[in-house]
Amino acid sequence: QQQVKQSPQSLIVQKGGISIINCAYENTAFDYFPWYQQFPGKGPALLIAIRPDVSEKKEGRFTISFNKSAKQFSLHIMDSQPGDSATYFCAASRPSGGYNKLIFGAGTRLAVHP
Amino acid sequence: NAGVTQTPKFRVLKTGQSMTLLCAQDMNHEYMYWYRQDPGMGLRLIHYSVGEGTTAKGEVPDGYNVSRLKKQNFLLGLESAAPSQTSVYFCASSYFGTGNNQPQHFGDGTRLSIL
Repeated sequence: QQQVKQSPQSLIVQKGGISIINCAYENTAFDYFPWYQQFPGKGPALLIAIRPDVSEKKEGRFTISFNKSAKQFSLHIMDSQPGDSATYFCAASRPSGGYNKLIFGAGTRLAVHP
Repeated sequence: NAGVTQTPKFRVLKTGQSMTLLCAQDMNHEYMYWYRQDPGMGLRLIHYSVGEGTTAKGEVPDGYNVSRLKKQNFLLGLESAAPSQTSVYFCASSYFGTGNNQPQHFGDGTRLSIL
């Protein structure tokens, strides 16, 4: 039972193109939605995050779009570069047992071709 | 400032053997976590700790034990390794605060194969 569904599994984009990764959730108790970026042989690192009271957040070439009514959110990478090639995980967080329980999507492997 | 350090980086075990994965953080974080990462399944929480001397079960705790004797260290133990525990294990840490959504900082993982 996957509480956060992520698509696509893999994505190939040409340099300069737009990469789009989508996630959907069911539990309305989630109140924080981060995206993590993971390079081969490394651990995930926080890329960008959004709260449900905001519909969009932009940091440089990375933008999160959030649709609360549809319970969906997506990551857009503008002007994609070969250095963006990595695995991206969406996640959803809610308070649970004294800490923020983080549920991850299955991941999207992005390859940006020169 | 090393962040989160995991040892070992790689290990091969035979079924039934035991081992301990070590995690150390130098950021004075209260919370620590152990995840496993399997293809197509993202990261799943095994156990976590909200402070020195405390531990709790996560999403997939069976077959694992943990201990947090010191604030900076979080140990993950496999008492009797099984092939289903072949995975990449990640340790993470974060500051305290359910309302602040402090980001989790991850180590670079331990790749464990069980034959």
